Amino acid sequence: DTGVSQDPRHKITKRGQNVTFRCDPISEHNRLYWYRQTLGQGPEFLTYFQNEAQLEKSRLLSDRFSAERPKGSFSTLEIQRTEQGDSAMYLCASSLSTGFSGANVLTFGAGSRLTVL
Amino acid sequence: AQKITQTQPGMFVQEKEAVTLDCTYDTSDQSYGLFWYKQPSSGEMIFLIYQGSYDEQNATEGRYSLNFQKARKSANLVISASQLGDSAMYFCAMREGPGTGGFKTIFGAGTRLFVKA
Repeated sequence: DTGVSQDPRHKITKRGQNVTFRCDPISEHNRLYWYRQTLGQGPEFLTYFQNEAQLEKSRLLSDRFSAERPKGSFSTLEIQRTEQGDSAMYLCASSLSTGFSGANVLTFGAGSRLTVL
Repeated sequence: AQKITQTQPGMFVQEKEAVTLDCTYDTSDQSYGLFWYKQPSSGEMIFLIYQGSYDEQNATEGRYSLNFQKARKSANLVISASQLGDSAMYFCAMREGPGTGGFKTIFGAGTRLFVKA
């Protein structure tokens, strides 16, 4: 297993354009998370999936952000009409969880860095 | 509301000495998990140690130990015999439990550790 893969690693775009990030989790992991991290800060939760179901989305998340996980495998995070404030590292993580208990340790990808000009 | 607080933006430690990184948390859940992750300058988040809220003994993983004081809602990380490679950002995190209706993991703002030779 090659771990959690994210693509692209870097994206530079102009304000107003749409961007899409892809995350391939560890194959046996059923949960997938998206976080946003700005310089010097901790990861900020955006949304997470259990299998193909999106179970929670941050209330702070603009409607310009949408995420999907078709068939419970890879996931995409799309940002429409990007703004300069969207510039950040977008982190994907996956975990294996079978119920209410357990550690649910997150395995992170290397991230996708977005720069909006 | 669930919250993680790390009050030390930066810490210095002499090589081979021990260091404690502080973390306090707030949750209404009875069942939750506490984690520490390391983020080196390369950027990828690395899981270090986990403590479940019902675990009676403090977690240990090699040179890392988690000083869990449930009544005080603190989960400090102790790194013994610091090494130069320990220089990194360290994040305390909490996995919510069923009481809040979700299983997302939230992160603190982090502490940057500098190990001096």
